[in-house]
Parts: sequence; structure tokens; C-alpha cells
Amino acid sequence: DIQMTQSPSSLSASVGDRVTITCRASQSISSSLNWYQQKPGKAPKLLIYAASSLQSGVPSRFSGSASGTDFTLTISSLQPEDFAAYFCQQSYDTPWTFGRGTKVEIK
Amino acid sequence: QVQLQESGPGLVKPSGTLSLTCAVSGGSLISDNWWSWVRQTPGRGLEWIGEIDQSGTTNYNPSLKSRVTISMDKPKNEFSLNLRSVTAADTAVFYCARSLGVSGYYYRLDVWGQGTTVTVSS
Repeated sequence: DIQMTQSPSSLSASVGDRVTITCRASQSISSSLNWYQQKPGKAPKLLIYAASSLQSGVPSRFSGSASGTDFTLTISSLQPEDFAAYFCQQSYDTPWTFGRGTKVEIK
Repeated sequence: QVQLQESGPGLVKPSGTLSLTCAVSGGSLISDNWWSWVRQTPGRGLEWIGEIDQSGTTNYNPSLKSRVTISMDKPKNEFSLNLRSVTAADTAVFYCARSLGVSGYYYRLDVWGQGTTVTVSS
């Protein structure tokens, strides 16, 4: 299975901060990397697919990038509604695998 | 737009079979998508269980393959998950999701059900 190592596991930030979350794949996965946001008691919500494509309806403050096997989710200016958990997921090869998540908390 | 809704027992006895159904509304199961099951626990995080396409072709997570069957009921526009020989370790929130791709690449889980909690306990 392809292992996805996500960091940090949690972070504290303030409204307006720029936030960066990283995911590293255990092997090359091309650009087959997705990012999800999950709020307590809710299902994950797709934010970014194919490493850098913004899902329809998702605010433009969310962006994704890739460099080799390293992938980054950036929130350019954190908003109150962005405090949540974020997960990466590879769709290069089954079984699809997820990172362990990053919890973004209010500082 | 497509919506998914899981249903099934919230409590299953150890060694029994966990059976869940996902109803698809606002769209057809018969499409160029795959339909997935994912579970989530505090300990293991998000775990992809498997998927099925419109032809009935399935892919399963090898870690669960010996115990899992995913099937579809086209007239009812729903797909189902059966997980056999369950233990307490199978207690989780189960989600169904649509897996959307482009020309066989860049699949992503773009529509999710709300999730249903299943507890394995006697």
C-alpha cells in the first residue's frame, strides 16, 4: 500500500494566518492527490483534487501544490469556518489511502 | 445534484455480518463513476474499504478483502456493503461516497453520505 505521511498532526493559528499542511507519499503518485476538510460529526468534503485543482464551490483561499512526492495544502488567509481537520488521500493506486489528518485549531 | 444516504443497523454482534446500504438520489448509479465505502475510527483514521462500478466490477482493500462484499441494486439505485465476521475493531463510522475520475485518472471522492455509526458489541 502507498503510505501517506501528513504533517503536522495539529496546529494552532489565528484568523487571517497563512496555513500550510504537508503530505508525503511513500512512492511516486504523479498528481493523484486529493485534499479533504472534515468538521466534527460531518463527512469529509473535497477541497482539492489532482494535487492542485480546486473543487467547484470551494473558496479560492484554498490551494494545492506538488513537488515530487511532497504535496502541500495552503490556506492563504484562515477564516473562522476553516477550523477543522484536513486529510490528504492518494488515488494513484488501490487501495486508496489517507493521511492521518491535521487538526487546525484556534490560537 | 447527487446525494448519498447510508442506512443499516447501528449495532452488530461480534462474529456477525455488518450490512449497510447507500441510496443514490439526484443521479444514477449507472454512470462512469465508481461507488465507494470508507470507514473512520479514531485509531485508524480514514480507511477505504472498496468500490464498485456500473458493471459490477469491484476493488477491495486487501486488508479487508476476505470479509467484504460490495454489490449494487440497479433498479433501486443503491449499493451495499457486507462485512462478515466482525469484531469490536470494526466499530466505526461508515461512509459511502462517489468516486469521480477523468478518463480513468485523478479519481476523487467528491460526494459523500452523512455517515452512519456502527458499533460491534454483544
